[in-house]
Amino acid sequence: GAGVSQSPRYKVAKRGQDVALRCDPISGHVSLFWYQQALGQGPEFLTYFQNEAQLDKSGLPSDRFFAERPEGSVSTLKIQRTQQEDSAVYLCASSDTHIQYFGAGTRLSVL
Amino acid sequence: QQQVKQSPQSLIVQKGGISIINCAYENTAFDYFPWYQQFPGKGPALLIAIRPDVSEKKEGRFTISFNKSAKQFSLHIMDSQPGDSATYFCAATLDRGSTLGRLYFGRGTQLTVWP
Repeated sequence: GAGVSQSPRYKVAKRGQDVALRCDPISGHVSLFWYQQALGQGPEFLTYFQNEAQLDKSGLPSDRFFAERPEGSVSTLKIQRTQQEDSAVYLCASSDTHIQYFGAGTRLSVL
Repeated sequence: QQQVKQSPQSLIVQKGGISIINCAYENTAFDYFPWYQQFPGKGPALLIAIRPDVSEKKEGRFTISFNKSAKQFSLHIMDSQPGDSATYFCAATLDRGSTLGRLYFGRGTQLTVWP
């Protein structure tokens, strides 16, 4: 497809479980961003990759959050020992120049 | 601290009316201000963007007005249509030349346009 693809679209986890969220960016896009969007709020920055290098992870809320992009394309956001406050939509965006293209997101619900 | 403040939280406009959403920012280093439109179940999509060296930018029915001294900018939707009903986010970032930095988003405005 031509757009940013995220999977799964929905994820339900029991508190304490680990989850992995996948992002397939637009082919050739060097920059990749992860954002967290709580219900009724604007997206909040989590982390940024340029190719495979994670240049900014200042938005990750705790050391339970980990992101990688090993080959400079697909990225995975991993959350360990999920908590209820992790429930949100996780958005991935890729960019070539001045437009960030967003995927539809993964809605994570932690019970 | 919220870097970008957005109002109103919700807006109801009659078809054909003008929708106005306002934003204010803190960091004077910001030099790129996009607006995003988000429909339920979808990711945000870029609508229009402006740089601080211009006071206004118009694309079709959408206009951004920018006041650098007041650190404020606004989105005007002329001739609002039911299909414009969505959540709108203003954002701010740093232009790094070949790419943009992280986006700082406002909290969003839910627009409803009645037919």
